[in-house]
Amino acid sequence: RKEVEQDPGPFNVPEGATVAFNCTYSNSASQSFFWYRQDCRKEPKLLMSVYSSGNEDGRFTAQLNRASQYISLLIRDSKLSDSATYLCVVRDNFNKFYFGSGTKLNVKP
Amino acid sequence: GAVVSQHPSWVICKSGTSVKIECRSLDFQATTMFWYRQFPKQSLMLMATSNEGSKATYEQGVEKDKFLINHASLTLSTLTVTSAHPEDSSFYICSATGTKNTEAFFGQGTRLTVV
Repeated sequence: RKEVEQDPGPFNVPEGATVAFNCTYSNSASQSFFWYRQDCRKEPKLLMSVYSSGNEDGRFTAQLNRASQYISLLIRDSKLSDSATYLCVVRDNFNKFYFGSGTKLNVKP
Repeated sequence: GAVVSQHPSWVICKSGTSVKIECRSLDFQATTMFWYRQFPKQSLMLMATSNEGSKATYEQGVEKDKFLINHASLTLSTLTVTSAHPEDSSFYICSATGTKNTEAFFGQGTRLTVV
C-alpha cells in the first residue's frame, strides 16, 4: 500500500472553474501535511502547508481530516497559470517526506 | 523561503562511468537531506535519507553500493551514481530540511542521461 495516494487526473477545467483534489495517507502518526506544485521538468515548490483547522491562501483552500487521514485542496477561479501537477506530501514521525503520485491539472481558456 | 542549490542541472555521461551530484543548503543548516528519483510521468520516489554525520538510510530496492550518498556537513550532501547504465537515466532531486523547518526545500534537480 502506498504511503500517500492521489487521483492522478488529469483534471481538465475551463478558466474560472473551481476544482478540488483529494489525497489519503496511510500512516496515522504522520506529523505534517503539504501541497506542492510541480511544473513540467521542474522541481516541486511548496504551495501551502495544511493545518488541522484548515487554511486558506487567496484562491487556495486546504483541509485536513486526521480521523479519515484525508487531505484536500480546493482551487477557486482557476487561472491558466494554475496548470501543473499538484503533489500531496506527508511528513512522518521519523521526519521522512512521502509524495503522492500527483494530480495533473489542465486549465483551458 | 530557504534555498537549496543542486549541481549540475543536467549531465550526459557514458555507460560505466560515475556521476556526482551535489546538493547544498545555502541559508540554513540541513540536518536531514533526501534524495529522490523521478522517471517521466511518474511521481517522486524517495531513494534515501541522510542525516549529517551518519550513514544514509536507503529505501527498499535502492542499491546503496550503486548510489553512494555522503552528508559530511550541515550544508552539503552528494549523490554519486556509480557505474551508470542507461536505465539510471532519470531526474534526480534533493531536498533538505533543518531543525527549524517543517517543510522540505528542493534543489532544482539534475537530469541525468546515460548513453
